[in-house]
Amino acid sequence: GQNIDQPTEMTATEGAIVQINCTYQTSGFNGLFWYQQHAGEAPTFLSYNVLDGLEEKGRFSSFLSRSKGYSYLLLKELQMKDSASYLCAVLDSNYQLIWGAGTKLIIKP
Amino acid sequence: GAVVSQHPSRVICKSGTSVKIECRSLDFQATTMFWYRQFPKQSLMLMATSNEGSKATYEQGVEKDKFLINHASLTLSTLTVTSAHPEDSSFYICSALSGEREQYFGPGTRLTVT
Repeated sequence: GQNIDQPTEMTATEGAIVQINCTYQTSGFNGLFWYQQHAGEAPTFLSYNVLDGLEEKGRFSSFLSRSKGYSYLLLKELQMKDSASYLCAVLDSNYQLIWGAGTKLIIKP
Repeated sequence: GAVVSQHPSRVICKSGTSVKIECRSLDFQATTMFWYRQFPKQSLMLMATSNEGSKATYEQGVEKDKFLINHASLTLSTLTVTSAHPEDSSFYICSALSGEREQYFGPGTRLTVT
């Protein structure tokens, strides 16, 4: 079966750095997405990785290792507004998105 | 970046009535659009894949006669919840595929059935 694993909840301090991990087992791979979702809102696109390595975009970076079925989202200089759920999703061989359950990130002052 | 709109953003309807939700890609053409629903504190659940000019492909367990999907043009897909019941109350989100990989989400529609 297809499976995406990520931690249920993480807590970090304002101004710090946090890494949210995601491991996946899917039928085929056409890329991995990270989305941010605030409570009651639709997810917003953060990053897309299809090749191995690190993609940096401002305070957010995303890493992919296809051989390990592993990705992480790195958030730097955390702000209170970063408190949200972070969803990892993989595009499988049929171009269907397989979603993780999301990681709720709590930022403390 | 690409923009996807949904209308309405919130709707309250009485049990037994039907509700139509529109999903539009504003600055790109989308051959494929997806419809999701999300229950509180749960991840998005794919309901169906909507392809322009053909019938939608529904995920297992999703009633196609209850959730009618019409993808009439390359920029518009509609989801109609027929004979809505309180258990259909949820957050419905559409997304549009740009090219082969990039998926852009609409802002979502919160449906409350009383």
